[in-house]
Amino acid sequence: RKEVEQDPGPFNVPEGATVAFNCTYSNSASQSFFWYRQDCRKEPKLLMSVYSSGNEDGRFTAQLNRASQYISLLIRDSKLSDSATYLCVVESSGGSYIPTFGRGTSLIVHP
Amino acid sequence: EAEVAQSPRYKITEKSQAVAFWCDPISGHATLYWYRQILGQGPELLVQFQDESVVDDSQLPKDRFSAERLKGVDSTLKIQPAELGDSAMYLCASTYTPTGAYWEQYFGPGTRLTVT
Repeated sequence: RKEVEQDPGPFNVPEGATVAFNCTYSNSASQSFFWYRQDCRKEPKLLMSVYSSGNEDGRFTAQLNRASQYISLLIRDSKLSDSATYLCVVESSGGSYIPTFGRGTSLIVHP
Repeated sequence: EAEVAQSPRYKITEKSQAVAFWCDPISGHATLYWYRQILGQGPELLVQFQDESVVDDSQLPKDRFSAERLKGVDSTLKIQPAELGDSAMYLCASTYTPTGAYWEQYFGPGTRLTVT
């Protein structure tokens, strides 16, 4: 089993739709969780950290479920500019700050 | 805005040749990462430095790959000899020393390697 797993998609949604991605992780000792966004042929950039209590940033909401070992990202009112790959990142060594990336989920928002 | 610098941006090399990539992190960032990203996959951590020390290199193919960060600032990743399967994007990232649960990695633009 891979340490961090994501559905690669692609998720193909119309503008204005709500879309959710999940990411599962295997190391129960993991402490830090993030979502990064990567545009085609560009470098990844931090979208948001995932707090234990969940957090929201505009149209984006991230949740952590430690019991089931997954994190989620919800995007409301999708924009064309949201089209990208969304990478889940988990700190894999329980406090040693060694990051493990998922393979990414591709989102395509169409008019 | 400070950025992570990488060079070269593109590299084409023949199988069995040596190749080297350079990364200059954001000033003050003690932690530096090298990743390999194959098209359609997420970045795979090759090596992580804290200052000049290696924190993790468990995924680095040590028979052909080497990495150094001699003065704890810029870093070089080398492949010798290159193989066809090494064709990928090589990304460098840096961050302040992580403390607490939340930190941000800043990525450079990457070096796209093609081995022929």
